[in-house]
This record gives sequence, structure tokens and C-alpha cells, in this order.
Amino acid sequence: NAGVTQTPKFQVLKTGQSMTLQCAQDMNHEYMSWYRQDPGMGLRLIHYSVGAGITDQGEVPNGYNVSRSTTEDFPLRLLSAAPSQTSVYFCASSLDYSYNEQFFGPGTRLTVL
Amino acid sequence: SQKIEQNSEALNIQEGKTATLTCNYTNYSPAYLQWYRQDPGRGPVFLLLIRENEKEKRKERLKVTFDTTLKQSLFHITASQPADSATYLCARYTDKLIFGTGTRLQVFP
Repeated sequence: NAGVTQTPKFQVLKTGQSMTLQCAQDMNHEYMSWYRQDPGMGLRLIHYSVGAGITDQGEVPNGYNVSRSTTEDFPLRLLSAAPSQTSVYFCASSLDYSYNEQFFGPGTRLTVL
Repeated sequence: SQKIEQNSEALNIQEGKTATLTCNYTNYSPAYLQWYRQDPGRGPVFLLLIRENEKEKRKERLKVTFDTTLKQSLFHITASQPADSATYLCARYTDKLIFGTGTRLQVFP
């Protein structure tokens, strides 16, 4: 199993550009989530999904959009990038939404100029 | 809002000693707490989970406690080694998983 994969590893955007961060898992996990990690702020939950077709907002959802059309994929869309969205983004998955451990991807480092 | 705080930003200890990291939460008790390890440039890796009705959980050199009266979890690494140097994150689950800011542990020889 590849586990949780994320692409790209690095990305530089200009203010106002849009892009999609890709996340996929091959463990048949129901629960998937997106976090951003900033110095001194820790990991903050952006959006999460408890199964295909179901998504919900986390702590910091503004400026981001998600969809979950399949169990495997959970892309994160930046609608109009802003410098405040410069961060490291992690995707995670777990068996379901309750007690289980989260498996994290390797992260995407995004810089918005 | 429900918060989770890891009071120490950094902790330096000598090899062989026990490292103790603290995680405090506000408001009502989470259903469980999780602890993760994160190395630079990598995603967090799960270490231990403790439920609110458990007082203590162990795994090899790791021990986690959960005190619902103090609203606190302690994470211990016994006989610490330089390879234990990393950032350790705690996370609380109520209806979603919320992480603390992490404690950077440095174990020196």
C-alpha cells in the first residue's frame, strides 16, 4: 500500500491564482481531512469528510473548497490564493471518524507571492 | 471553543532521562486524546491513543496518562535517546480531531 499520497510536494502561486492540492489513499478509509501547519499555530483543520459525498468545515475553512466523489480521493481547492495561505498542507485519513489513528501524507509546501 | 494546549514549546533533556510532555484542554473532556510524533519535513505519525475512561496507556518506552479532573494528559518517554528528538503533538477528539501546537523535544548525549 502507498498509504496517503499528496501532490505536488512544492508549489508557488501568485496572489489570485487558483489551484488544487491532490490527496489520495489506498487503504479504503472512510474519514479524510485536510490540515494546514504554520509556525507557532500547530495543525489546524480546514475541511474533513466522513465518507464519499459528505464533507464538513473544520476550524479554518475560508478560502478553501473540497469535494469527495470517491472514497480514495479528497482534493483541496484554493479558489483565489492569498499570501495568508502560504503554509504546509497535510492530508490525513483514518478508518472512520471516531477513535482511529490518523495516517498523514508527506505534505505540500505552498508559497503564495 | 474547545482548546488544546501544549505548554512547552521546547524541552531539552539528557539521554537516559525521562521526558515528560504536557497537554492541557479546556471545556468538557474529549472522548479521547491522541499523541503523534513529527519529524522535520514529514507528516505526523501516530503513537498512542487514550480514552477518557482510561487513566494510563503504555507502549514500549512510552506512557500516556489522562486526568479528567486536571484536564490534562502527560506523555512520558523513559530512557530517552537522541533518536527520540522530534516534535510531539497531542490531539483531542470530540466531534473532530483538533491538534495542539506541539512540543519540540531535543535529547542530547
